[in-house]
Amino acid sequence: GESVGLHLPTLSVQEGDNSIINCAYSNSASDYFIWYKQESGKGPQFIIDIRSNMDKRQGQRVTVLLNKTVKHLSLQIAATQPGDSAVYFCAENSGGYNKLIFGAGTRLAVHP
Amino acid sequence: KAGVTQTPRYLIKTRGQQVTLSCSPISGHRSVSWYQQTPGQGLQFLFEYFSETQRNKGNFPGRFSGRQFSNSRSEMNVSTLELGDSALYLCASSKGYPGLSSYEQYFGPGTRLTVT
Repeated sequence: GESVGLHLPTLSVQEGDNSIINCAYSNSASDYFIWYKQESGKGPQFIIDIRSNMDKRQGQRVTVLLNKTVKHLSLQIAATQPGDSAVYFCAENSGGYNKLIFGAGTRLAVHP
Repeated sequence: KAGVTQTPRYLIKTRGQQVTLSCSPISGHRSVSWYQQTPGQGLQFLFEYFSETQRNKGNFPGRFSGRQFSNSRSEMNVSTLELGDSALYLCASSKGYPGLSSYEQYFGPGTRLTVT
């Protein structure tokens, strides 16, 4: 498979546990945030998004939390499964139309 | 509904050559954005098109250019290729609305460009 990043921070969890992936964003004026999952050899897959007028949004097994005071975003995955193993990116919409600024990514490794 | 498609999936070029990559967005999506992904720099925004107009541009040299057609399909071109242009080039489509800056973007599988 293709490497999506060298020396990415790695979060290792046991199957069935909850995972929390954190992200610090850079621009306090950013109004929209997205989490993506990227598996080896594939493009990023949309997971969940949140606008700056919200602080929490839930999806299926995933929750995104936004703390604008400290410019922090987190992705919580409930009951993590082996299929969740991938690199996770946060992205902020900063500086105009659909211009996403991506974080460096976090590799999630799920162990049976 | 078909996803975002990109062609070709893999490409090998020589320094100094030029290359054109193609992206077909999800049906009904009018906005197409392009990104470059490398192990060292991560995912970086190149440009975004909506209704055949470039609305936003990242910090890349003028060798990188793009266009969008009336059917929303988009192409990007890189001229005078350098070794450092080797990367995965991703396009993303979204519904896009006039005056609305952000909406869900869905990515294609990418084109892996290798410059030798």
